[in-house]
Amino acid sequence: NAGVTQTPKFQVLKTGQSMTLQCAQDMNHEYMSWYRQDPGMGLRLIHYSVGAGITDQGEVPNGYNVSRSTTEDFPLRLLSAAPSQTSVYFCASRPGHLYEQYFGPGTRLTVT
Amino acid sequence: RKEVEQDPGPFNVPEGATVAFNCTYSNSASQSFFWYRQDCRKEPKLLMSVYSSGNEDGRFTAQLNRASQYISLLIRDSKLSDSATYLCVVNRDSGYSTLTFGKGTMLLVSP
Repeated sequence: NAGVTQTPKFQVLKTGQSMTLQCAQDMNHEYMSWYRQDPGMGLRLIHYSVGAGITDQGEVPNGYNVSRSTTEDFPLRLLSAAPSQTSVYFCASRPGHLYEQYFGPGTRLTVT
Repeated sequence: RKEVEQDPGPFNVPEGATVAFNCTYSNSASQSFFWYRQDCRKEPKLLMSVYSSGNEDGRFTAQLNRASQYISLLIRDSKLSDSATYLCVVNRDSGYSTLTFGKGTMLLVSP
């Protein structure tokens, strides 16, 4: 099992550009989530999904969109990048009946 | 009161020392509690769940005090490899719930 994979590992964007962060898991987990981690702020939930076709907002959803067309994939779209979105983004998944989250290696995004 | 609060540290300890971290949580309805470990520039990984009766995994012991709404992590015989940030994690409510992460406590173990 590859676990949770994320691409790209690093990305630099200019303000106003859009992009998609990719996340995939091969553990057949129902639940998937996107977090951002900023210094001094801890991990904050952006969006999450409890299954294919079902998504919901987390703590800091503004400026981000998600979709879940398959169990395996949960991409995060930045609509119009802003410097405030400079962060490390982690995707995570877990089985529906357990709380243990499995995290991907992260994407380090810089918006200039 | 913040949902999950941790002393950010760093805790500087020599190898072989015993060190303890506490974490307080604000939601008395919280059901599940965990300690995650995060190495520098890496993803968080589950260290251990925290059960009501307390639990131990090798050199690590976790305790839960529901009355005072805090959990603790005790590390005995610290190793250099224990140097990391330890995240306290609490679920927000029953049913499907999202996890709330503390900001973490940094531990530095020196030779």
